Amino acid sequence: QLQLQESGPGLVMPSQTLSLTCTVSGGSFSTNDYYWIWVRQPAGKGLEWIGRIYSRGSSAYNPSLKSRITMSVDTSKNQFSLKLSSVTAADTAVYYCARVSAAGHNWFDPWGRGTLVTVSS
Amino acid sequence: QSVLTQPPSVSAAPGQKVTISCSGSNSNIGTYYVSWYQQVPGTAPRLLIYDDHERPSGIPDRFSGSKSDTSATLDITGLQTGDEAHYYCGTWDTTLSGPVFGGGTKLTVL
Repeated sequence: QLQLQESGPGLVMPSQTLSLTCTVSGGSFSTNDYYWIWVRQPAGKGLEWIGRIYSRGSSAYNPSLKSRITMSVDTSKNQFSLKLSSVTAADTAVYYCARVSAAGHNWFDPWGRGTLVTVSS
Repeated sequence: QSVLTQPPSVSAAPGQKVTISCSGSNSNIGTYYVSWYQQVPGTAPRLLIYDDHERPSGIPDRFSGSKSDTSATLDITGLQTGDEAHYYCGTWDTTLSGPVFGGGTKLTVL
C-alpha cells in the first residue's frame, strides 16, 4: 500500500525559506502514470495547489506562488521536495503531499498526513 | 475565493440523503474529470469519487457522484454520524494549468 510522509521544520522565520520533503513508500515512485503534488490548507480554510512534479523532474507551479517555489525529486530516495522562499505569516498552513493520477484524470490518492508549518518570529 | 463554488454547509438527519453541489466553468468542470474528497477535521483528505462518478475500493455505494455541463454533484444516502466532515470537489483548470478545488462544504448530521 502506497504511503506518503511529509517531513520538515514546523516553524520558519519570516522572510526565510520553507523546506519540506515527501517520502514515498510501499509502491512505485518512478512512473509516468502519476505525478506528485504539494497542497496546503490554512487553518479553517480550503485547499490550495502549490506545485506538481513528475518523477523525471518536469514541474509546474501555481502562478500565484511561482516566483517563490522550487520543487525537485530524488528518485534514489523516492522523495520529492518543496522550497518556498520569502515566507510570511500568510504561508502558515498544513502542507500535504499527494500522488495524482496523470493522463487527464487528476485525482489525488493517497495523501500524506500533512505537516503544520508556522511562519513566525 | 475558490475557483469552484460549493455551499458552505449542508445538514440532514441520520438515514436521510444529502446533495453537495460544485459549480465551475468550461475551463475546468466542463472539460475535465471531477473528484471528491472527504476530510474529517484534523486528518488528511480522502478520495471518495474520481472520474466524475467512480468509487475507489472501500468507499461505500452510499456515496455517488455525477456531472452535467459545468456542475458536479456528490450524493450521500443513508447518512451516518460518521459522515460528518468537510467535502471538497476538485478538477483541473485550463487557465491555472493545474488542479483547483472548491471551498469545501461542511456536512452536519443532525
